[in-house]
Amino acid sequence: EVQLVESGGGLVQPGGSLRLSCAASGFTFSSYEMNWVRQAPGKGLEWVSYISSSGSTIYYADSVKGRFTISRDNAKNSLYLQMNSLRAEDTAVYYCARDHGDSSGYYYYFDYWGQGTLVTVSS
Amino acid sequence: DIQMTQSPSSLSASVGDRVTITCRASQSISSYLNWYQQKPGKAPKLLIYAASSLQSGVPSRFSGSGSGTDFTLTISSLQPEDFATYYCQQSYSTPRVTFGPGTKVDIK
Repeated sequence: EVQLVESGGGLVQPGGSLRLSCAASGFTFSSYEMNWVRQAPGKGLEWVSYISSSGSTIYYADSVKGRFTISRDNAKNSLYLQMNSLRAEDTAVYYCARDHGDSSGYYYYFDYWGQGTLVTVSS
Repeated sequence: DIQMTQSPSSLSASVGDRVTITCRASQSISSYLNWYQQKPGKAPKLLIYAASSLQSGVPSRFSGSGSGTDFTLTISSLQPEDFATYYCQQSYSTPRVTFGPGTKVDIK
């Protein structure tokens, strides 16, 4: 059974840092691209960052570029999000999500999601 | 960036009703459109990918259609467990995907 379990959320002051982790199991983690998606309280979904299966290709949303760093450790089946210079508007539930392509290789979607971890940025 | 809009933002329906939700992209995205269902306090769940392909395990009362800029998600006969918020997502510009603002379906 595929499982993604996030951890590391909590309360942090503006300007502070936090590192989120996502532990993967039930599939060959090193074969899949991964993403972080967040959801502010009562709001919609916002894609945050992507990392390729090897970790060699990385993308960020403009809203977090230069402040957040995505990484992975395939030996530990883990995905990370280092968040620095946190702002009130970064307050959200952060989900890790597995990227999957259909058999054609053209269509991609997030087929498994973790339960999320809440990050609250407040003084 | 590709912007996604959804209508309506919310709707009230009864069990057994046919429900249709619309999603529109700011530019043509071919069939690179996915639909997710999210219940309160839970992670989103994939329903439909590539505009009309049903994800494994998803009931057949859910269907998707459209291409280009206009898409629909239809629930043929609403069930109690379908009351949730539904999001469309474009994957045309993957990995820089964007989501629609969501449509909340609640009980009439």
